[in-house]
Formats: sequence, C-alpha cells, structure tokens
Amino acid sequence: EIVLTQSPATLSLSPGERGTLSCRASQSVGNYLAWYQQRPGQAPRLLIYDASNRATGVPARFSGSGSGTDFTLTISSLEPGDFAIYYCQQRSKWPPLTFGGGTRVEIK
Amino acid sequence: EVQLVQSGAEVKKPGESLKISCKGSGYSFTNYWIGWVRQMPGKGLEWMGIIYPDDSDTRYSPSFQGQVTISADKSISTAYLQWSSLKASDTAIYYCAKHGAQLWIDYWGQGTLVTVSS
Repeated sequence: EIVLTQSPATLSLSPGERGTLSCRASQSVGNYLAWYQQRPGQAPRLLIYDASNRATGVPARFSGSGSGTDFTLTISSLEPGDFAIYYCQQRSKWPPLTFGGGTRVEIK
Repeated sequence: EVQLVQSGAEVKKPGESLKISCKGSGYSFTNYWIGWVRQMPGKGLEWMGIIYPDDSDTRYSPSFQGQVTISADKSISTAYLQWSSLKASDTAIYYCAKHGAQLWIDYWGQGTLVTVSS
C-alpha cells in the first residue's frame, strides 16, 4: 500500500500570504496525485488532479506541481475561504486509493 | 447537475446491523465507480472501497475488506454500505463518492453520520 505523508500538519498564515503544502509518497506514483479541500462541516472537493490540473471551477490561485514521490500544492494568495484542511490522494496503485493525513491551513 | 443524496444520520448499538444509502442522479450511474470514504471524528479521510454498478465489480481497501459490504442497485441508481455487526469504532461520517473516469473523486455526497454507542 502506498503511504502519503503530508507536511506540515498545520500551517498558520495570514490572508494574502502564500501557502505551500507538501505531499510525499512512499513510492513513485508518477503524476497520479490529486488534492482535495475540506472546509469545516463540509464534504471535500477536488481541487487538483494528475498533479497539476485544476478541477472545474477551481480558482487560478491554486496550483499543483511535482511528480514521482514529491508533490506541492501552492495557494498564491490566501483568501478567507481557503482556510481549510487539504488532503492529497494517489491512484497509481490501488486498491486502496490512499489519502494523506491532511494539512490544516489556519488563520495566523 | 450531478447529485449524490445520502440517507440520514443513524444511532445504533454495538452488534446491530446497518445499511446506509446514496442515490445518484444527473449522470450515467452505471458507468462510473462509486464508493465510500470514512471520516472518524476529528480525523482524516479513509478510502473504503468502490463498486462499478454496471457489473457490480467491487474493490475494497484491505483495511475494510470483510468489515463492510458495498453494493449497488443500478435500477434505482443507489449505492449502499452495510455492516452486519457494528462496533463503537465505526462511529464516523461516511461520504458517498462518485469517481470520475480517471478515478479521482469528482462528486461527494453530503455525508451520513453513524453513531454507535451502548
């Protein structure tokens, strides 16, 4: 089973700042990695798929990069609705389609 | 518009059985994998498994194999998650999840809270 490790666990930032979230895979997943956002009390939503493609309706301030074992989600300028938990997920080798443990982005 | 509408919250006792549901609409239900994701209180997301409604091909995470049963009734565009004997540790929110053509989860249900307590 591929294990995804996200860091940091918590990121404390102010609105307007840049956020950089990391996801590391225990073995190569190619570019088969996605990012999801979960706001408090809501279901997750897909942000980025295949490492760098924005899902429909996702603002351009969200970008994904990386391949193999190291991936990054960047939020260029944080807006109030971006303070949430972010999860990565791989589909390279399944089942299971594993999730990372999540990074909480909180207001500083 | 794609919608996944899940059944309501449940409160059960340990040892009881349960089946929760997820009705899909706005897309071809039979042609996309649909499955379940668990979120225990204050914890992260755990992928449980999926089913392809057209032929009922089902894949489970090893962590959940034998613990739950995923099924679907394509005649009514509904997926199910069931337990034969609940444990307190099954207390969680369970999300129904439609997987796109490349297996990413493109639509989510609203979640069903299952509480297991004596």
